[in-house]
Order: sequence, then structure tokens, then C-alpha cells
Amino acid sequence: NAGVTQTPKFRVLKTGQSMTLLCAQDMNHEYMYWYRQDPGMGLRLIHYSVGEGTTAKGEVPDGYNVSRLKKQNFLLGLESAAPSQTSVYFCASSYSILLEQGRNTEAFFGQGTRLTVV
Amino acid sequence: GENVEQHPSTLSVQEGDSAVIKCTYSDSASNYFPWYKQELGKGPQLIIDIRSNVGEKKDQRIAVTLNKTAKHFSLHITETQPEDSAVYFCAARPFSDFGNEKLTFGTGTRLTIIP
Repeated sequence: NAGVTQTPKFRVLKTGQSMTLLCAQDMNHEYMYWYRQDPGMGLRLIHYSVGEGTTAKGEVPDGYNVSRLKKQNFLLGLESAAPSQTSVYFCASSYSILLEQGRNTEAFFGQGTRLTVV
Repeated sequence: GENVEQHPSTLSVQEGDSAVIKCTYSDSASNYFPWYKQELGKGPQLIIDIRSNVGEKKDQRIAVTLNKTAKHFSLHITETQPEDSAVYFCAARPFSDFGNEKLTFGTGTRLTIIP
């Protein structure tokens, strides 16, 4: 059971370049999330998805786009990378209690992607 | 929105001693409070959580206490071991959240256990 897998683990981009981060989960979770982690700021939600084909903005969505074409995958895109997007990105997934009361909605995290924009 | 403050930002304790990390939250609608442990180079992992209808919860050497009136909750680690060295995050979420879209994290505490 792999859990939540992120690719790539490290990436260096030049300002203005684009890239896509891939997240895959094998736990059949409805919810998927993308967070960024910056020193002294904890984890901040970028975008999330409550199911296949649906996405929503989180706390810091500007400069990012997401897609969830399949239930198990959640993609995070940077169209034109900026140095301010240098960060560690984490994907997570969880069940939704909407579908079954009493279900554990613990968020499971991937190992992260360290992105540097120069 | 919710605001979660976490203290201290760094904590060093002698192996075998206890460690306490404290968090406060602002939204009285929050009723679920998880704690995550993040080891170097890994993603956060849930270690314990508490809901607002419970004042204290224990799991072996780890315990969490909640004071809903004062809006603060704490993580207690007893008999600390070198493998407890990590960054710990507290978080808070309201009952209306069906997933974790409203989960707000604290800024983290780097705990170092001194052998």
C-alpha cells in the first residue's frame, strides 16, 4: 500500500517556466489537497478537490492551477513560475464524512516536492 | 477565518524528560484538533487527535489536552526518546468541514531530544 505518492521529489525552475506536480493516492479517498510549506508559516492550502472533476480554491491559490481528471490523481500546475513559489509542496488525501458518518477523515500526506525557482 | 498560534517554535529537552507544546485557536466553531509529526524529509503524519467533547486523550507516551473555554490545546510527550525529534504541527477544524478544507495549521515546533 503506497498511500500518497508525489512526483517529482525535487525540481529547479527558472523564472517564467511552467511545470506540473503529480499526486497519486491508492486509498480511494474522495478529498485531495495541495499545500505549500514555508519556514515559520506552517502548511497553507493552495487548492483542494472533493471528488473527480471538481476543484476549489484554498487559502493561497494565486499562480497555481489544478486538475482532477481521475479520482486517484491530483495535479498542481505552475503556469509561469516566480521566485515567491519556491517552497516545499505537499499533497494529501482523506475520506469525506459526507458519504459515511463516523468515518475517519485523517489527512494522509505525501513526502513532498522541494521546488526552487531561480 | 481560523487562526492557530503555536508555541514554542523550538524546544530542546533532555532524553527522558517531558515536552509540552501549546496551541491557541480563535474560532469557537472548531471542534477537531489533530497533531501532526513531521520527520526530516517526510510529510506530516497524524499522531493523535481530540474532539471538543473530550478534555484529554492519551496514547502511550503522548497525550493531548483541550480547554474549549480558553480555546487552547496542548501536546504532552513523556519519557522523551531520540526518535521523538521532529517538527510538530497542531491544527484546528470546524465541525462543518466534511473533509479537511478548513483545517488550519499552526506554525510548527521543532523538538530536539538531547541524548
